[in-house]
Amino acid sequence: KAGVTQTPRYLIKTRGQQVTLSCSPISGHRSVSWYQQTPGQGLQFLFEYFSETQRNKGNFPGRFSGRQFSNSRSEMNVSTLELGDSALYLCASSWGRSSDEQYFGPGTRLTVT
Amino acid sequence: AQTVTQSQPEMSVQEAETVTLSCTYDTSESDYYLFWYKQPPSRQMILVIRQEAYKQQNATENRFSVNFQKAAKSFSLKISDSQLGDAAMYFCAYSSGTYKYIFGTGTRLKVLA
Repeated sequence: KAGVTQTPRYLIKTRGQQVTLSCSPISGHRSVSWYQQTPGQGLQFLFEYFSETQRNKGNFPGRFSGRQFSNSRSEMNVSTLELGDSALYLCASSWGRSSDEQYFGPGTRLTVT
Repeated sequence: AQTVTQSQPEMSVQEAETVTLSCTYDTSESDYYLFWYKQPPSRQMILVIRQEAYKQQNATENRFSVNFQKAAKSFSLKISDSQLGDAAMYFCAYSSGTYKYIFGTGTRLKVLA
């Protein structure tokens, strides 16, 4: 079974630009969660989607948004990029229960200059 | 709000020895799940072990076991017979009915040959 895939793997953007990251979950998984990983901060929860609905979100500004499509693929968008947005963005998929293991993708490394 | 704390940024262990990674959490909920995830260098995050809060028995998975102290809100991971392949970042995580995973800041484990 194919794992979670994320595209692109690496991105370099300039301050003020916007970026869209994509995540394809494991087949059959209906939940996709997004995280921002930075050194010393661990993984910060951005939001979780289940069957195209956002079920929860973390404490990030409105510049961070996401959506999920009917095939469970998800996209995350960051507008008006800031230097502090440089991070590894991870997505994870699961069946959607709180007890479920999350299956992580390899991440997208975003660098903002 | 729930929090997860990993107070050991880095730990070292000699090959074949035993090491314990600490994790404490804070929550007012009675039904929740705790996890340890492993992130090897430049590789995807994977689940190591899971514990249901309603179960008194500590979870074990081969060389990995937990010491779950619900009253103390402590959830430590013990790795026995450490191997070079155990070198990684280890994250403690909490999940409940809000569909929001909360991760600690991680502990980098070094295994010395």
